[in-house]
Amino acid sequence: QSALTQPRSVSGSPGQSVTISCTGSSSDVGGYNYVSWYQQYPDKAPKLMIYDVNKRPSGVPDRFSGSKSGNTASLTISGLQAEDEADYYCCSYAGSHMEVFGGGTKLTVL
Amino acid sequence: QVQLQESGPGLLKPSQTLSLTCTVSGGSISSGSHYWNWIRQPAGKGLEWIGRIYTSGSTNYNPSLKSRLTISVDTSKNQFSLKLSSVTAADTAVYYCAREATYYDKLTGYYKSYWYFDLWGRGTLVTVSS
Repeated sequence: QSALTQPRSVSGSPGQSVTISCTGSSSDVGGYNYVSWYQQYPDKAPKLMIYDVNKRPSGVPDRFSGSKSGNTASLTISGLQAEDEADYYCCSYAGSHMEVFGGGTKLTVL
Repeated sequence: QVQLQESGPGLLKPSQTLSLTCTVSGGSISSGSHYWNWIRQPAGKGLEWIGRIYTSGSTNYNPSLKSRLTISVDTSKNQFSLKLSSVTAADTAVYYCAREATYYDKLTGYYKSYWYFDLWGRGTLVTVSS
């Protein structure tokens, strides 16, 4: 069970769009539509932003969207705002009642 | 609303057993509609799923930790707990408890997970050092 692969960092200017990728394998990301994304501010607990690849919990702005193609899932944040600067983690069901996280991506709003 | 709170010793010596408890408030752990998880995060690093328990006591563990890990539930106290034996410095991390939603599968008669964590505790730092 290897961690999913995310870029260590991405950046964008306010108003722009950024996309964070999450690459796994056919045993996790590619095999199930159970990818979730979490936002984490420094010294805070993660917060659910996307589940089931592309569904948003109540209260999450529609600027956040998710998608998947093959073994790679993506989180896109459009209309970037300063408050979006945080770490983002993907997570996928990996079979056998296990879940695996990505290594995390630091989003910097320039 | 439902809240989760981790508690336990913050400092351990190598080879000791790490014991943490997550107290669920504002709701019943016995409702049957959730799995209860432990997740950890070493400083400056990513999240690692540790394991989960259902109110029936059934568990799933991360294979990399399974030999040292026990997760249990005490429905009378509305708590679930983590025990990790033979700790080393590599177990130093912030430990989170988290809730995972489930649904009832009429075909199998079991509750199944939605495979995402919708509520997290604030986390507790555990340091392993001699």
